[in-house]
Amino acid sequence: EVQVVESGGGLVKPGGSLRLSCAASGFTFSSYSMNWVRQASGKGLEWVSSISSSSSYIYYADSVKGRFTISRDNAKNSLYLQMNSLRAEDTAVYYCARDRGVGDTFSDYWGQGTLVTVSS
Amino acid sequence: DIQMTQSPSTLSASVGDRVTITCRASQSISTWLAWYQQKPGKAPKLLIYKASSLESGVPSRFSGSGSGTEFTLTISSLQPDDFATYYCQQYNSYSRTFGQGTKVEIK
Repeated sequence: EVQVVESGGGLVKPGGSLRLSCAASGFTFSSYSMNWVRQASGKGLEWVSSISSSSSYIYYADSVKGRFTISRDNAKNSLYLQMNSLRAEDTAVYYCARDRGVGDTFSDYWGQGTLVTVSS
Repeated sequence: DIQMTQSPSTLSASVGDRVTITCRASQSISTWLAWYQQKPGKAPKLLIYKASSLESGVPSRFSGSGSGTEFTLTISSLQPDDFATYYCQQYNSYSRTFGQGTKVEIK
């Protein structure tokens, strides 16, 4: 069974840092592109970042470019999001999601999310 | 960036109704469009990809159509489990964008 499980969320002060992790199982992690998508309370979905299977291609939303870094460790079946210079507007549930495949860059499996709260 | 606009934002309907949600792209995205269903406190669930392909396990009452800039998600006969928020997402460009969502409420 395909599973992705996020962790690492919590309360952080503005300007602080946080690292999210996503543990994947039930599929060959090293063959799939992965993504982070976030959702502020009561708001819609916002794509944050994507990384290709071998980390050759990395993309960010303009809202996080220069502050967030996506990475992966295929040996550990894990995806990460390093978040620096956090702002109040980064407060959201962060989802880890798997792409269907090369050329099929929509997300077919999602985790349950981890909540990040940026507040003083 | 490609902007995605859904309409309506909220839709009130009854069990058994035929429901249609529209998604418009600010530029042509061919058929690179997905639809997701989200219930409160839950992760999004993939319903439709490539504008009209039904994801495995999704009931056949869900269907998608369209190409270019205009797309629709149709629920042929609304069931109690279908009351949720629906999002379209374009994946024509690396910067994937979602529509703002359509909440389907009980009338």
